[in-house]
Amino acid sequence: AQKVTQAQTEISVVEKEDVTLDCVYETRDTTYYLFWYKQPPSGELVFLIRRNSFDEQNEISGRYSWNFQKSTSSFNFTITASQVVDSAVYFCALSEARDTGANNLFFGTGTRLTVIP
Amino acid sequence: ETGVTQTPRHLVMGMTNKKSLKCEQHLGHNAMYWYKQSAKKPLELMFVYNFKEQTENNSVPSRFSPECPNSSHLFLHLHTLQPEDSALYLCASSQARDRPYNEQFFGPGTRLTVL
Repeated sequence: AQKVTQAQTEISVVEKEDVTLDCVYETRDTTYYLFWYKQPPSGELVFLIRRNSFDEQNEISGRYSWNFQKSTSSFNFTITASQVVDSAVYFCALSEARDTGANNLFFGTGTRLTVIP
Repeated sequence: ETGVTQTPRHLVMGMTNKKSLKCEQHLGHNAMYWYKQSAKKPLELMFVYNFKEQTENNSVPSRFSPECPNSSHLFLHLHTLQPEDSALYLCASSQARDRPYNEQFFGPGTRLTVL
């Protein structure tokens, strides 16, 4: 069965600090997809990144970077030089692979990040 | 603006009321989803529609009744709810054709309070 664990419930950092959000997943599938979403106070989940299980390259997008390690079943998310606007709840999610059709996303419980000015 | 809209944004209802939540996507997607988000719990997938056909029903009580008249619209009809049904209800859509994976794009949610 698929499972996503985000052990950090809440994190507070001071503006401009770097912060890493942890995500550990479990799946028996050999092909799967991992996602990060951001949920600001407005409530809407904003898609940040998708990573395929067969692509372990790390990715950087501006101040955001993701470290995917299959050996430890982890997909961690780092924000560099954090800003107040980064304050939100961040969700890691796992999707099984299907040939076609809608996939189910299995979400972690989220990490609430507060960036203090 | 992600292209997925939900109305109403807030809803307060009594246990005997009947109400409906509406979701509309303007992204040309063919799959739509309802999720329930309660405090301190992971998002729970409730229903999945792919090309207007329901493909998933995650043991949701019958007091929640989905309707998908076309690929752009999704409704959640509510009847005889319980206070524990109070939550944020999120709608999402994705492009499921020709892809084994899919990012889901979410609406802003409807904050439901059942008195």
